[in-house]
Amino acid sequence: SQQGEEDPQALSIQEGENATMNCSYKTSINNLQWYRQNSGRGLVHLILIRSNEREKHSGRLRVTLDTSKKSSSLLITASRAADTASYFCATVDDQAGTALIFGKGTTLSVSS
Amino acid sequence: GAGVSQSPSNKVTEKGKDVELRCDPISGHTALYWYRQSLGQGLEFLIYFQGNSAPDKSGLPSDRFSAERTGGSVSTLTIQRTQQEDSAVYLCASSPQGQGKAFFGQGTRLTVV
Repeated sequence: SQQGEEDPQALSIQEGENATMNCSYKTSINNLQWYRQNSGRGLVHLILIRSNEREKHSGRLRVTLDTSKKSSSLLITASRAADTASYFCATVDDQAGTALIFGKGTTLSVSS
Repeated sequence: GAGVSQSPSNKVTEKGKDVELRCDPISGHTALYWYRQSLGQGLEFLIYFQGNSAPDKSGLPSDRFSAERTGGSVSTLTIQRTQQEDSAVYLCASSPQGQGKAFFGQGTRLTVV
């Protein structure tokens, strides 16, 4: 099963520009997480935002969460070629015993 | 410290054969997840373990798929009578608890010929 839907599916920008990816989900959540995947193998955790938080920053990353709209956005500022990757949002429901469920991802391409 | 380890990295098998995929989570992590990812697609959830029990196995696509976890550590995902549509990368992740940050292995690329 997949919970989140990322938008857009693909994004191409120039180095130095900002990249914004959006994620929508369906259920009531405990937290929402963003991950990055290079070359179709293991994912790397970027940031976690809890349901009672509205915004979080980590370096060049800014994540917002709107639980009333069941949506989140990931902003990467001053993008670099090395940011080229696929980005996924994942949610944990607010019920115990539920798994981390991923969306379909956004493929970001940053050209120099 | 060691991360999540998956073996084998690559597996080519003939249609109809059984395969076993292994995941060694980070020591002390109680939560363990299995996902499947087809080329260019998102992560399809398969099963989630908390300790040795599986509170959520809703993602297993058919009764040919099974998974177990022993000693709250190593997990194996078994696919019986493999089909070509089983070809994918199988990813394992572990987490200190069930709701936090997950750490991923590098996956097993399964090719059914």
